Amino acid sequence: GQNIDQPTEMTATEGAIVQINCTYQTSGFNGLFWYQQHAGEAPTFLSYNVLDGLEEKGRFSSFLSRSKGYSYLLLKELQMKDSASYLCAVRESGSYIPTFGRGTSLIVHP
Amino acid sequence: GAGVSQSPSNKVTEKGKDVELRCDPISGHTALYWYRQSLGQGLEFLIYFQGNSAPDKSGLPSDRFSAERTGGSVSTLTIQRTQQEDSAVYLCASSLGRRGPNSYNEQFFGPGTRLTVL
Repeated sequence: GQNIDQPTEMTATEGAIVQINCTYQTSGFNGLFWYQQHAGEAPTFLSYNVLDGLEEKGRFSSFLSRSKGYSYLLLKELQMKDSASYLCAVRESGSYIPTFGRGTSLIVHP
Repeated sequence: GAGVSQSPSNKVTEKGKDVELRCDPISGHTALYWYRQSLGQGLEFLIYFQGNSAPDKSGLPSDRFSAERTGGSVSTLTIQRTQQEDSAVYLCASSLGRRGPNSYNEQFFGPGTRLTVL
């Protein structure tokens, strides 16, 4: 099984940078996903990491350290529309099915 | 559009009734997943289909829950004798699934069906 831990809620100011952490424990690792979910909407894919390091995609970056069982999602130049829940999901070796954490609710205020 | 669609978007039912939830995946996606999400909770995995077969049903919470997929496309999740604790948003997702499990396989989610059991 897997154990995925992320903070329940974070707040940040418009224009700032925020880092959302995710730690996991798994018997065999085969990829970590970040999804964004606005209230009342479906999750949408943000990033995928399977190797150590930083993946940058516009204002969003995702980092992975497999040895530490740790990832973070970095959001730069925050906008009000970034207020959403951010879901970390981990896939075990040989599985198609990622297991989702409970999500981090990010509130961006002016 | 070309995304995952689900119907109905909202379903209100009385305790003890049966309900059917439908999912139309993206054309060509062989993998299909059902999840449910309760208020303030993460996504709870229910069942996974590869084509028409379900190699992983481990998340179905009880024998009142069943799902099928026909023609490698549409899937139906059926909940029999609904209970109040079944109230949740039921999300369907699909992915290419053609390559081995050691591949990207980004999931595309539908808008969900909000089920309320009175």
